[in-house]
Amino acid sequence: DVKVTQSSRYLVKRTGEKVFLECVQDMDHENMFWYRQDPGLGLRLIYFSYDVKMKEKGDIPEGYSVSREKKERFSLILESASTNQTSMYLCASSFGRAETQYFGPGTRLLVL
Amino acid sequence: GQQLNQSPQSMFIQEGEDVSMNCTSSSIFNTWLWYKQDPGEGPVLLIALYKAGELTSNGRLTAQFGITRKDSFLNISASIPSDVGIYFCAGQLAPEYGNKLVFGAGTILRVKS
Repeated sequence: DVKVTQSSRYLVKRTGEKVFLECVQDMDHENMFWYRQDPGLGLRLIYFSYDVKMKEKGDIPEGYSVSREKKERFSLILESASTNQTSMYLCASSFGRAETQYFGPGTRLLVL
Repeated sequence: GQQLNQSPQSMFIQEGEDVSMNCTSSSIFNTWLWYKQDPGEGPVLLIALYKAGELTSNGRLTAQFGITRKDSFLNISASIPSDVGIYFCAGQLAPEYGNKLVFGAGTILRVKS
């Protein structure tokens, strides 16, 4: 079974803090993705990576950055958290670019 | 940009009833996926469809890839309380668009027991 884990299920941070969200997959998948999920908006792609040290912007990259130093790990960074970044963050991975994406359990982030 | 229109947005059904939801778009997709998300969890893949016209079942779930490649539906037969959750469709674009996944906004399913 594919396993995608996220470092925290719930996080509470203050405005202006730097926030790290970690994602790890154990299936040797090439591709990893970060989404945010907001009610009524579905899932929106923030950043993705097709290889180690490679990253590409998704649909809503502003205010975020990512890091992929190892194949199994993909980190999402909020350089200076803002209240409008309060959301559910979902990490996903897939073997090939056209392959099915498998999701982690999500991190619910509250920025005060 | 590409958009998926998923309907209904939410529904209450009686236990034992059949459920139907669908997604439509003006864009053409190479793959259609249906995910279910339980409260507080990440989406879990239910069914994947890879060919126009394909009809696939997974237990009480049946999904079809529309012949025009612009739509898909999901049916749940004889619903039970554990069917509660949010169901998402996702269409995967062609390689020239980066194989990007486009998600519907979700259908919230609530079952009256």
